[in-house]
This record gives sequence, C-alpha cells and structure tokens, in this order.
Amino acid sequence: AQTVTQSQPEMSVQEAETVTLSCTYDTSESDYYLFWYKQPPSRQMILVIRQEAYKQQNATENRFSVNFQKAAKSFSLKISDSQLGDAAMYFCAYRPAGTASKLTFGTGTRLQVTL
Amino acid sequence: GAVVSQHPSRVICKSGTSVKIECRSLDFQATTMFWYRQFPKQSLMLMATSNEGSKATYEQGVEKDKFLINHASLTLSTLTVTSAHPEDSSFYICSAVTGGESTEAFFGQGTRLTVV
Repeated sequence: AQTVTQSQPEMSVQEAETVTLSCTYDTSESDYYLFWYKQPPSRQMILVIRQEAYKQQNATENRFSVNFQKAAKSFSLKISDSQLGDAAMYFCAYRPAGTASKLTFGTGTRLQVTL
Repeated sequence: GAVVSQHPSRVICKSGTSVKIECRSLDFQATTMFWYRQFPKQSLMLMATSNEGSKATYEQGVEKDKFLINHASLTLSTLTVTSAHPEDSSFYICSAVTGGESTEAFFGQGTRLTVV
C-alpha cells in the first residue's frame, strides 16, 4: 500500500522568507503523480503544484517549486517570498497513474507566516 | 479550473435522522467522484470511490449501509449519512475527476456535519 509521510506538523516562516515543507512517500509503482494541496481556514482544497513521476524536471508555479527526488521518494515544497496568504495547512498527496485513481494524503503541515 | 459544488456547506441534524450531501460537477462530466472525511486537525481520509452508474467502492472500515453513496449522473454524486450519531459529526469533502488523462482532482468546498 502507498503511504505518504509529512514529518513536520507545524512550520513557521517570516514574510518574504523561504520555507521548505518535507514529504516522503512509499510506493512500488513506477508511474505516478505527486501533488501539494493547500487548505486554508475556509477548508477548500486548492491545488498548489503537481509533479509527474516520469518527468525529471522539478515543477514550478510562480513562488512554489518542488524538489522531486524519485530514488529517495522525496517530494518537498519550497515557498519563496512567503506571503501572509500562504498561511494554511499543506497536504502532500500521491496518486498512481491511471485514470481516476484515488489520492493518498499525508498528515499535513500547518504553515504559519509571521510579520 | 473546473468547479465542484458541494451542498450544504453546513448542516445540523438530530441523532437518528438521515442527512444527504450533494456533490455536483458544474462544468465537466465526472465519471468518478471521491468522498473524504476529515477530522479536526487531521488529514483527509478516503471513504469511498463513486463511479457513475455503478455501486460505490468503500474503503476498509467504512460502513456502506451507514454512508450511502449514489452517483446517478455524470454530474452528481450524493452521500447520505443514515441514522446519524454524534460520532458522525465531521467535515465531509467530495472530489471529482474526469474520465480522461487528467491528473487533477477538483474538490468541493466541504460540508460540516454536526449531529446533536
């Protein structure tokens, strides 16, 4: 069974600084997708970034980027120039390839952004 | 991006009654929908996978007779919590995917259920 581990229950970053959230996963599949979701206080799940396992290049979306290490099964999220609006729960998620496969979520990291 | 609407956003019901939660894909056809439960300060726990026109597939430990799921059309799935008890109080979230190669799941805004 696939598992996703987020070892940081809480993180704090100062506004405009950079923070990295960790995620590791375990799978025997060779083709899969990895995601970072943000859940603000509204509880709406928002996709931050996704990575296809077959792509070696790390995904980037504006201030968000990932460090995908397939051999190490590591998928960390870097948030640059942190903003107050980045404060939220962040969930790492895994999905095997194939249509309509289910997501497996990590336990989440609560990010605080301070002035 | 695609929009998934979940209704109601909040509901309070009495113990022993049933409550229905709707999940609609507004601008795309969702061949598969997923229902999650989220306890306070915890992650999303998958309850069941719902495919249009067929019976839902429930995760281990989820009572299918208590959590009835119906996916009657390509745009609507419903979760009915039957004979609700206070321990069923939780946050329920649905997500929907298209039947193509899309890798993205679209989430509803969630429903907070309180059973009193």
